[in-house]
Amino acid sequence: KAGVTQTPRYLIKTRGQQVTLSCSPISGHRSVSWYQQTPGQGLQFLFEYFSETQRNKGNFPGRFSGRQFSNSRSEMNVSTLELGDSALYLCASSHTGSREQYFGPGTRLTVT
Amino acid sequence: GQQLNQSPQSMFIQEGEDVSMNCTSSSIFNTWLWYKQDPGEGPVLLIALYKAGELTSNGRLTAQFGITRKDSFLNISASIPSDVGIYFCAGQTTDSWGKLQFGAGTQVVVTP
Repeated sequence: KAGVTQTPRYLIKTRGQQVTLSCSPISGHRSVSWYQQTPGQGLQFLFEYFSETQRNKGNFPGRFSGRQFSNSRSEMNVSTLELGDSALYLCASSHTGSREQYFGPGTRLTVT
Repeated sequence: GQQLNQSPQSMFIQEGEDVSMNCTSSSIFNTWLWYKQDPGEGPVLLIALYKAGELTSNGRLTAQFGITRKDSFLNISASIPSDVGIYFCAGQTTDSWGKLQFGAGTQVVVTP
């Protein structure tokens, strides 16, 4: 079974721009969680989607948003990029009712 | 910032030695997960724990869910060079589906 895939793997953007990252969960998994990983703050939870509904949200500004499609694929969007948004963005999927989360390789976002 | 206290921050060990690391939290968790992350990759799930007192093994890895539900331990026996990486603990509370709280990580370096 294929693992979690994320596209693109690397991205360079300029301050003020917006960006959309994509995540395809493991086949059959309907829950997708997003995390931001930085050297200073570590891994921090952004939000979680299940059946196209956001069930949980972390403490990030409204510039960070996401959505999930009927095939469970998910996207996250960051608007008005700031230098501090440079990070590895990870998504993880889990099977319904399971607490085990399986991570993708991440998207490395650099904001200049 | 980090919500779990993970220690030690780093370990330099010789091949063949055992490794121990632990995480403590001020919150009660109903799930503890242990992950390993290699550079440029997403975290890989090693062990999942669901019950207080539970002891689970995966090859040379053994992890325990603390009795108080506020801590967990991971042991690696007879370390080998491929054990190099960063190990993270992650916990989830009962009312927080999809949201994992992560420790800061333990960097393990194995010397021949």
